[in-house]
Amino acid sequence: DSGVTQTPKHLITATGQRVTLRCSPRSGDLSVYWYQQSLDQGLQFLIQYYNGEERAKGNILERFSAQQFPDLHSELNLSSLELGDSALYFCASSVASINYGYTFGSGTRLTVV
Amino acid sequence: TQLLEQSPQFLSIQEGENLTVYCNSSSVFSSLQWYRQEPGEGPVLLVTVVTGGEVKKLKRLTFQFGDARKDSSLHITAAQPGDTGLYLCALPRDTGFQKLVFGTGTRLLVSP
Repeated sequence: DSGVTQTPKHLITATGQRVTLRCSPRSGDLSVYWYQQSLDQGLQFLIQYYNGEERAKGNILERFSAQQFPDLHSELNLSSLELGDSALYFCASSVASINYGYTFGSGTRLTVV
Repeated sequence: TQLLEQSPQFLSIQEGENLTVYCNSSSVFSSLQWYRQEPGEGPVLLVTVVTGGEVKKLKRLTFQFGDARKDSSLHITAAQPGDTGLYLCALPRDTGFQKLVFGTGTRLLVSP
């Protein structure tokens, strides 16, 4: 157990639908990062939150959004889903400096049918 | 264009063999991290290398940071099936905010 909890582990949904992925960071970590992993694109940075505030956006589609709550858990919302959104979605957390590395959750496997 | 290129992309070997995987960039790194990702799990940090020429050992794994800090290698001695997984190098990037940029990965399969 890495200390980063992601739910659900698997999600199957239809095109056009909306889903919410949840992440609880490791205790004491203020930063949460979301990554998308697909076979052809590898691990792609989506968005970062630090202590409730959005800090950076990467290759995140406008159909996707995220937030971090006062208790530091984070949610990634994916809407108007397309087949190409099928991927593994990882949440990671870190202490203030990323030079100490990330702690990843086990991921949510999203399948859009 | 990927900031970090890893090679080979795939490697299938027998238990007991040695192997080396590489991580290269056209840019100089301040530091580099190596992760291993097992099927169904998230990546797990193995090591961080910081100094050019640095060598770090983790049991049968040896990590080296190039002298010019533009490349790194991971050597596994006497590979075991438990070493199977996706090996990723990652570069901390600080462009107003900090994030990790991951390499393309090397997928290793060690057969008994």
